[in-house]
Amino acid sequence: AQTVTQSQPEMSVQEAETVTLSCTYDTSENNYYLFWYKQPPSRQMILVIRQEAYKQQNATENRFSVNFQKAAKSFSLKISDSQLGDTAMYFCAFGVSSGDKLTFGTGTRLAVRP
Amino acid sequence: KAGVTQTPRYLIKTRGQQVTLSCSPISGHRSVSWYQQTPGQGLQFLFEYFSETQRNKGNFPGRFSGRQFSNSRSEMNVSTLELGDSALYLCASRRAGLLNNEQFFGPGTRLTVL
Repeated sequence: AQTVTQSQPEMSVQEAETVTLSCTYDTSENNYYLFWYKQPPSRQMILVIRQEAYKQQNATENRFSVNFQKAAKSFSLKISDSQLGDTAMYFCAFGVSSGDKLTFGTGTRLAVRP
Repeated sequence: KAGVTQTPRYLIKTRGQQVTLSCSPISGHRSVSWYQQTPGQGLQFLFEYFSETQRNKGNFPGRFSGRQFSNSRSEMNVSTLELGDSALYLCASRRAGLLNNEQFFGPGTRLTVL
């Protein structure tokens, strides 16, 4: 069974600053995907970024980037130039290539201060 | 392209009743997954349907069931409701394929059991 751990229940960052959210996972699978999802107060879950385990290069999407350390089973999300609209719950999630079940962490509530 | 839709958005039931929630996936998406989100347990996988067949099931009692129709729309049913079933129920769809594991979430149905 897979587990996903997010050790930071809440974080706060000043607008325009950079923040890093942590995530670790445990699995015996070799092929898998990792995701960061954002859930704003409106509740719609939105995919922020994804990483395939077989890719060594860290994924980036505009202001969002990950630091994927496969050996350490670590998958952190860096948000650069934080904006007020980044205020949300962020969930780290794990998915196996051949299936649809996602295992989620407990989430990190991020507040961006003006 | 329309996103994942869920109906109803809000529902209030009493203990012992049953409830049916509906999910319409993104056009062309054949896989539908259901998740339960509560403050205490976080996001937990309920089940996943593909081509009208349940492919994967989480660790929930038999009171939770689902089905998928030929047009990929899915319903989940909870019988003999308990107070602990109060939660946000999220549906997610994806275009099936071994290399594409991105799921798109709906806005959720907020179920309150009194």
